[in-house]
Amino acid sequence: GQSLEQPSEVTAVEGAIVQINCTYQTSGFYGLSWYQQHDGGAPTFLSYNALDGLEETGRFSSFLSRSDSYGYLLLQELQMKDSASYFCAVLSGGFQKLVFGTGTRLLVSP
Amino acid sequence: DAGITQSPRHKVTETGTPVTLRCHQTENHRYMYWYRQDPGHGLRLIHYSYGVKDTDKGEVSDGYSVSRSKTEDFLLTLESATSSQTSVYFCAISDTADSGNTIYFGEGSWLTVV
Repeated sequence: GQSLEQPSEVTAVEGAIVQINCTYQTSGFYGLSWYQQHDGGAPTFLSYNALDGLEETGRFSSFLSRSDSYGYLLLQELQMKDSASYFCAVLSGGFQKLVFGTGTRLLVSP
Repeated sequence: DAGITQSPRHKVTETGTPVTLRCHQTENHRYMYWYRQDPGHGLRLIHYSYGVKDTDKGEVSDGYSVSRSKTEDFLLTLESATSSQTSVYFCAISDTADSGNTIYFGEGSWLTVV
């Protein structure tokens, strides 16, 4: 089967840096994605790593280590609007079926 | 925003009644998905489609059926709704089969089974 583990909640203050970790167990691994979801909203794509290393997109970066079955999402210069749930998801099974983790709720305080 | 419309957005129904949720896309994407989201479980795949009349089961397909008679429409049916199917249902679409960065979600359908 497939499973992903990520912390249930993380808190931080505005301007800080926060890292959300994700460890996974899956067969036929293709890549690790990150999605953001605000309360009452739809998940929206943030980043995707198919290869080892760091991908940077503005204030957000994502890292993958395939040998360790581990990845993380790094959020810098936190803003209040970053308060949301963040989901890691693995692409597996030879077809684009995303399997999601249970999500990390990020609370950013002033 | 990806052109995905889910209907109804909110519905309350009684146990034992059939319910159909509709997902309509204007992007002409080949792949369509239905997920449900529940506290503590994240998003779980119910069914997916890789073309007209081509569908397959996801990880939580029991009690659900789907149909796709046109590229733009993907229907999710609960044949006989149960309280355990109270959830938020998200439709998603994609135009590729092997990339994790091209899946777009609809705004969700909130279903309550009483």
